[in-house]
Amino acid sequence: AQTVTQSQPEMSVQEAETVTLSCTYDTSESDYYLFWYKQPPSRQMILVIRQEAYKQQNATENRFSVNFQKAAKSFSLKISDSQLGDAAMYFCAYRSGRGSQGNLIFGKGTKLSVKP
Amino acid sequence: GAGVSQSPSNKVTEKGKDVELRCDPISGHTALYWYRQSLGQGLEFLIYFQGNSAPDKSGLPSDRFSAERTGGSVSTLTIQRTQQEDSAVYLCASSLGGISTDTQYFGPGTRLTVL
Repeated sequence: AQTVTQSQPEMSVQEAETVTLSCTYDTSESDYYLFWYKQPPSRQMILVIRQEAYKQQNATENRFSVNFQKAAKSFSLKISDSQLGDAAMYFCAYRSGRGSQGNLIFGKGTKLSVKP
Repeated sequence: GAGVSQSPSNKVTEKGKDVELRCDPISGHTALYWYRQSLGQGLEFLIYFQGNSAPDKSGLPSDRFSAERTGGSVSTLTIQRTQQEDSAVYLCASSLGGISTDTQYFGPGTRLTVL
């Protein structure tokens, strides 16, 4: 069975600085997808960024980028120029590439605080 | 509405009562998922509907939990004889086709409290 581990329950960053959130996963599959979701206090999960395992190039979305190390099964999220609105829970998630496996498997989350 | 909606936003019930939670997916999305978010367990998959196929119920924790999806759109998650350990936020998500490349869009969740 696949598992996702986020080893940092809480992180803190100064506004305008850079922070990296860690995520590792375990799988025997070669085809899969990885995601970072943000959950603010409103509870709504918002997709931040996604990475296809077959792509070697790291995904980027504006201030958000990932460091995908397939051999190490590591998928960290870097937030540059942190803003107060980035404060939230961040969840790393895995999804199998097999069409019948539709659900996401989540890590336990990292609570990010942004200090003004 | 453009997003996934869920009702009620909050539900307080007494132990032993049945509850129904509703999810309205994004129009045109054929795949619908239910997840449970609790303090001790994080986010857990419950059930997955894809079009007219039989649902994947592999995540349902007990036979007190059931879900249906009528007309390929709205879904209802039913918890019978609620227990205190059922207290959690229940999240619904939908995606366009249910294939691996599809993004899942989440609703705001229903916070269930069982007294």
